[in-house]
Amino acid sequence: AQSVTQLGSHVSVSEGALVLLRCNYSSSVPPYLFWYVQYPNQGLQLLLKYTSAATLVKGINGFEAEFKKSETSFHLTKPSAHMSDAAEYFCAVSMDSNYQLIWGAGTKLIIKP
Amino acid sequence: DAGVTQSPTHLIKTRGQQVTLRCSPKSGHDTVSWYQQALGQGPQFIFQYYEEEERQRGNFPDRFSGHQFPNYSSELNVNALLLGDSALYLCASSLMDRTPNYGYTFGSGTRLTVV
Repeated sequence: AQSVTQLGSHVSVSEGALVLLRCNYSSSVPPYLFWYVQYPNQGLQLLLKYTSAATLVKGINGFEAEFKKSETSFHLTKPSAHMSDAAEYFCAVSMDSNYQLIWGAGTKLIIKP
Repeated sequence: DAGVTQSPTHLIKTRGQQVTLRCSPKSGHDTVSWYQQALGQGPQFIFQYYEEEERQRGNFPDRFSGHQFPNYSSELNVNALLLGDSALYLCASSLMDRTPNYGYTFGSGTRLTVV
């Protein structure tokens, strides 16, 4: 069975500081991995995805994530936080193309001025 | 190019009632998936429709049912509503043979409150 663990329900960083949101997964098969962002009262927007190509994946809004098979991790980073990055971030895993997504519980990113 | 459209945006129902939620997929997409997101939690997969058939189903009771129409739009029906059904219901559309490369496109959801 697949599962996703996001470490930290809330992460607080200062504007301009590094953002690091952690995601660990378990999967019996090579996974597809996704990061989505959700702004208040809105749906989910795809930030980036890993689909067995390059292990370092670049997404929108300056975010990137690195797939590390040995650590079963797919952490999301951004070099410099902006106030507009304040939102909830979800990591998700899928075992096959177009298969259901299994989601983490989410991490709320708080940006301090 | 319209994205995924869901209606209604908000809904209040009484326990025991039935509800129908609607979803129009992104133009060019042929697959619709439904997710339930309870407050403060990640989404939970309900089911997926492709070619007007339910292709995958999550761990939800039979009170949850759906339909996909020839134009790829979809409905989610929930019977005998419980207080625990209160959640944001998200519709996601995709293209069956290209999902890994393109991902899912989500609608803004329908907020269902059961009282």
